[in-house]
Amino acid sequence: QVQLAQSGAEVKKPGASVKVSCKASGYTFNNYGISWVRQAPGQGLEWMGWISADNVPNYVQKFQGRVTMTTDTSTSTAYMELRSLRSDDTAVYYCARGVWYDYWGQGTLVTVSS
Amino acid sequence: DIQMTQSPSSLSASVGDRVTITCRASQGIGNFLAWYQQKPGRAPKSLIYDASSLQSGVPSKFSGSGSGTDFTLTISSLQPEDFATYYCQQYSRYPRSFGGGTKVEIK
Repeated sequence: QVQLAQSGAEVKKPGASVKVSCKASGYTFNNYGISWVRQAPGQGLEWMGWISADNVPNYVQKFQGRVTMTTDTSTSTAYMELRSLRSDDTAVYYCARGVWYDYWGQGTLVTVSS
Repeated sequence: DIQMTQSPSSLSASVGDRVTITCRASQGIGNFLAWYQQKPGRAPKSLIYDASSLQSGVPSKFSGSGSGTDFTLTISSLQPEDFATYYCQQYSRYPRSFGGGTKVEIK
């Protein structure tokens, strides 16, 4: 069955970087893009960007220059790196498959605190 | 950018009620709209795609309709497991965008 398994929770200081992984299984990784969505505590869903099946990224303007999304097809893993972290980056970060998101990772809590 | 506006932001309903949630796009998106259900502490779950297509494994009490700018999600008979927050999302244009969510609570 299709699964997206994300890396574990992270605690970072302001100004640091975080890299979250999303390992796919149960389908042909190269056939689907991966999107990244975050959710701040008590808030709604915020789309951050996606990386297409042919490895072309598309980022929300808000995160341009701070985010990098990549894939490693040899391990069927997608990565999202966010730099220059601020306290308002504290959120659960999700990866999700496809054009509409039929499968989601379990989420990775990133806490930014001094 | 396309703004997605859901209404209401919250509602109280009883088991067995028919519930309708609306989602409006700031510009036409064809039928490129999905609906998700999220329970506390859990990842969102896909319910509907292409505005009215039921995701595999989702019960038929969920239905979606609409095209262009106005869309609805209907739950025909609310059950205890349906109390959750529901989000719409457009995938017509970049950047993708979500509605603000509708929290369905027990009356």
